[in-house]
Amino acid sequence: QVQLVESGGGVVQPGRSLRLSCEVSGFTFSRHDMHWVRQAPGKGLEWVAGIWHDGSNKDYAESVKGRFTISRDNSQNTLSLQMNSLRADDTAVYYCARELLYCSGLACRSGLPFDFWGQGTLVTVSS
Amino acid sequence: SFELTQPPSMSVSPGQTARITCSGDALPKQYAYWYQQRPGLAPILVIYKDTERPSGIPERFSGSSSGTTVTLTISGVQAEDEADYYCQSAHSNDTYVVFGGGTKLTVL
Repeated sequence: QVQLVESGGGVVQPGRSLRLSCEVSGFTFSRHDMHWVRQAPGKGLEWVAGIWHDGSNKDYAESVKGRFTISRDNSQNTLSLQMNSLRADDTAVYYCARELLYCSGLACRSGLPFDFWGQGTLVTVSS
Repeated sequence: SFELTQPPSMSVSPGQTARITCSGDALPKQYAYWYQQRPGLAPILVIYKDTERPSGIPERFSGSSSGTTVTLTISGVQAEDEADYYCQSAHSNDTYVVFGGGTKLTVL
């Protein structure tokens, strides 16, 4: 079955770095665009970053642009989020999420929505 | 900027119909998607491409679209439907994604 398992969360001081990972199984990772979404305590969902299935295109929310880097290793079925210059307002549960695969005959393409999510990993930025 | 606006909260009695709206200037050109999130859990998809319902989602969940507003309708609301609901859409390349602020549905 499809599984997405995040790891790497924890408590970190402001200005420091942290790297999150999302290990996936149960599907062909290299066919799906992937995303990171976060949720601050008691707040709504905030999209953080997305990456195409082959890693050739990435996009970021304005709030993290220049500080966070999304990447993927299709040979290891792993999605990553490198977070630098962390701030208190980066405190949140971070989810990885998979885009749906639309197929017509033999042709498939990845597209919204997010059909599977991980369970999330908590990042706390505090001195 | 690309924004989606939802009412922060609404309440409904069991058996009644809940209609949750989501407004945004890009919605006439882009599909909207709806997620349900119960406390402490990851979101789950309940409506995609404005009106489509994924397998396993009860028929009481439906979606509609009109101009710059999309609506999630829950007919015959049950206690288990009490949750936060988020709309989602994206820019044309589907890479830059936006969520609405979420609507907390309370079942009285």
